[in-house]
Amino acid sequence: QQPVQSPQAVILREGEDAVINCSSSKALYSVHWYRQKHGEAPVFLMILLKGGEQKGHEKISASFNEKKQQSSLYLTASQLSYSGTYFCGTEITGNTPLVFGKGTRLSVIA
Amino acid sequence: DTAVSQTPKYLVTQMGNDKSIKCEQNLGHDTMYWYKQDSKKFLKIMFSYNNKELIINETVPNRFSPKSPDKAHLNLHINSLELGDSAVYFCASSQVGNGYTFGSGTRLTVV
Repeated sequence: QQPVQSPQAVILREGEDAVINCSSSKALYSVHWYRQKHGEAPVFLMILLKGGEQKGHEKISASFNEKKQQSSLYLTASQLSYSGTYFCGTEITGNTPLVFGKGTRLSVIA
Repeated sequence: DTAVSQTPKYLVTQMGNDKSIKCEQNLGHDTMYWYKQDSKKFLKIMFSYNNKELIINETVPNRFSPKSPDKAHLNLHINSLELGDSAVYFCASSQVGNGYTFGSGTRLTVV
């Protein structure tokens, strides 16, 4: 079942922060986050396995609340290069393929 | 070296034709996938395949078939192409517990 992402779109000025949310109605094995720029392939950002962990990648970090089956992606001090569409993908088990949300379009302007 | 490579990058064909898209990965990953991305950017899983198991999304028409000659290759064959098949098709690979590496995509246009 497809995870639900919010918001659908967000516009930021450079230096501002943003949070993108992803929720599932099913118990999850993992949550993935990807960024896709226009005309390019999705690029892996990070994976969060069940256990309620939080991970970081430069100024981009994420959390996974296993009890609520929710994950959030945090972008701090946004840069122009952060623009793109962010997808969360969820796995029910380690052997099932990722099911992606509909994406969040992030635009960072100067 | 390209980790996951797809060919061709662009494919324009007429309705009713049969076409194939090739995918190769040199990462040593056990599992490969095909995803379809439509005009609304929705990424939909079509197939996943490893040495032991083929998982088929039940909503995928049987005109689509994956063919894997070996662990490093997962090709996509499409019969009797329809206008609605126009989309970008992405191949990807992964190991359990790790992120997916996507190919650069094949833009299929059916006319």
